[in-house]
Amino acid sequence: GAGVSQTPSNKVTEKGKYVELRCDPISGHTALYWYRQSLGQGPEFLIYFQGTGAADDSGLPNDRFFAVRPEGSVSTLKIQRTERGDSAVYLCASSLMGTGAPEAFFGQGTRLTVV
Amino acid sequence: GQQVMQIPQYQHVQEGEDFTTYCNSSTTLSNIQWYKQRPGGHPVFLIQLVKSGEVKKQKRLTFQFGEAKKNSSLHITATQTTDVGTYFCAGLNSGTYKYIFGTGTRLKVLA
Repeated sequence: GAGVSQTPSNKVTEKGKYVELRCDPISGHTALYWYRQSLGQGPEFLIYFQGTGAADDSGLPNDRFFAVRPEGSVSTLKIQRTERGDSAVYLCASSLMGTGAPEAFFGQGTRLTVV
Repeated sequence: GQQVMQIPQYQHVQEGEDFTTYCNSSTTLSNIQWYKQRPGGHPVFLIQLVKSGEVKKQKRLTFQFGEAKKNSSLHITATQTTDVGTYFCAGLNSGTYKYIFGTGTRLKVLA
């Protein structure tokens, strides 16, 4: 596609429910990042994939958060037993590796609201 | 852990005035990137700096990487209303792929 696509754009869920957020990176980009951005804050790193493997998941806040990228393209961020504190905009970014820490292209984000 | 701070947090300027935001890292960086985020939008890449003391220009924007590779600045000359948004720096430590974003500077330009 022309850019990074994230679905849904908005998600409202009840406390305790399970949610999945999807990211379609730019075709050919091997690196994929998930960030979380709260109002008035900078993006907070969650996890980084190089291909199918999670090269760095040190930003995941706890074991309720999990992300997969089974075929090295689309990624899904999964949140179990959601809490009100999980409410934020979840951003996905992809980049073309092999050129020395290249620029990351961000999607529009999924705004998650836990009520 | 690593922290990346930006000052000021907010800046209001009259159209035509200059603007500068400063980025400071608690650790030495291998490179630094700058992003702009419009209200309601997502971060958009502006530039990447890699070398110590590097200076890059994009029209009215001037980016600088400090000699010690722990700080950076973005200067906008003669601001325009289209410059409105939040400017983030994002630093990368050597040997990692985890960009740490700064706290951001929100710029408002008054016409």
